[in-house]
Amino acid sequence: KAGVTQTPRYLIKTRGQQVTLSCSPISGHRSVSWYQQTPGQGLQFLFEYFSETQRNKGNFPGRFSGRQFSNSRSEMNVSTLELGDSALYLCASSGLAGEFGEQYFGPGTRLTVT
Amino acid sequence: QKEVEQNSGPLSVPEGAIASLNCTYSDRGSQSFFWYRQYSGKSPELIMSIYSNGDKEDGRFTAQLNKASQYVSLLIRDSQPSDSATYLCAVPNRRNEKLTFGTGTRLTIIP
Repeated sequence: KAGVTQTPRYLIKTRGQQVTLSCSPISGHRSVSWYQQTPGQGLQFLFEYFSETQRNKGNFPGRFSGRQFSNSRSEMNVSTLELGDSALYLCASSGLAGEFGEQYFGPGTRLTVT
Repeated sequence: QKEVEQNSGPLSVPEGAIASLNCTYSDRGSQSFFWYRQYSGKSPELIMSIYSNGDKEDGRFTAQLNKASQYVSLLIRDSQPSDSATYLCAVPNRRNEKLTFGTGTRLTIIP
């Protein structure tokens, strides 16, 4: 079974620009979660989507948004980029929503904001 | 108190020995616990999940859960240099079900 895929793998953007990241979950998985990983803050939860609905949201500003499509693919958008948004953005898919679902991570998108 | 706490290490273990990684969590009602391995520059990889008190074994890995003490550990037997990585403990927050990660323990296996 193919794993979680994320595109693009690397991205360099300028402050003030916006960016869209894409995630395709494992086939059959309907839950997609997004995380930000930085050396200082570690892994932090952004949001979770299940069946096209946002189930949970972490403590990030409204510049961070996402959506999920009917085929479970998900996109994450960051508007008005700031230098502090430089991070590894990880997508994880799960066959179950909620606390018992095992989450499998994609390779991540490394975003650099200059 | 942090929701999930781990000793950041680094933890150095000789090849062939047992590596012991520890994690404590604050929510007494937590029901599921996960261990991830992350190599430098890579994404986290799920290696163990545990839901019940006691031990769960998978190959060289054993997860141990003690809900009364709010403590979960990961033992790696016959440690190999390829086990050198950062190990992340993750516990879902029951209030919003988001997965909360510890800061990770960096493990180095010395040949």
